[in-house]
Amino acid sequence: QKEVEQDPGPLSVPEGAIVSLNCTYSNSAFQYFMWYRQYSRKGPELLMYTYSSGNKEDGRFTAQVDKSSKYISLFIRDSQPSDSATYLCAMTVDQTGANNLFFGTGTRLTVIP
Amino acid sequence: DAGVTQSPTHLIKTRGQQVTLRCSPKSGHDTVSWYQQALGQGPQFIFQYYEEEERQRGNFPDRFSGHQFPNYSSELNVNALLLGDSALYLCASSLTIANEKLFFGSGTQLSVL
Repeated sequence: QKEVEQDPGPLSVPEGAIVSLNCTYSNSAFQYFMWYRQYSRKGPELLMYTYSSGNKEDGRFTAQVDKSSKYISLFIRDSQPSDSATYLCAMTVDQTGANNLFFGTGTRLTVIP
Repeated sequence: DAGVTQSPTHLIKTRGQQVTLRCSPKSGHDTVSWYQQALGQGPQFIFQYYEEEERQRGNFPDRFSGHQFPNYSSELNVNALLLGDSALYLCASSLTIANEKLFFGSGTQLSVL
């Protein structure tokens, strides 16, 4: 079993839709949770960062972490064609292993105008 | 402010050869990590460099080695290339060793024939 599981999609939605992206994980020691966006032929770009459980909102993006269920989510409101990319969840245990991120496989999202 | 830069962008090698990839971290960052991203997969942690020393290592064989220079730039070396080493190699930098917010370069696409 992989430490981080993510549905690879692909996921296609019409412009303006609410998008829900999810990851599950098996290591209960994970405390730092991130979402990265990766455009084609580019490196991942940090989108959202959350420590422990709870919600975090940034503009059209909301990240949720439920440590009891080992489940994290990213919601995108009013999706735009420019949001079309692969979304990767990532997590790590603590700051001593800060650079050792465990990634999901990524979900490929297409927003249709 | 230049972000993380990697060179070359593309590389083609044959089995058994050796390759060196280069990375310059984002200005002000002193920690560099390397990741391997196979097609359709999330990035996998190779190793991390801080103060010119390898600090952490993922599950990669000794054929993968690295170096960090006094100016914080870094090299990834892979010896005795295998077909399975074909992937996008990503360099990431962070503000300090205990900072989990990584900034990625666009990567080097390595093809092994």
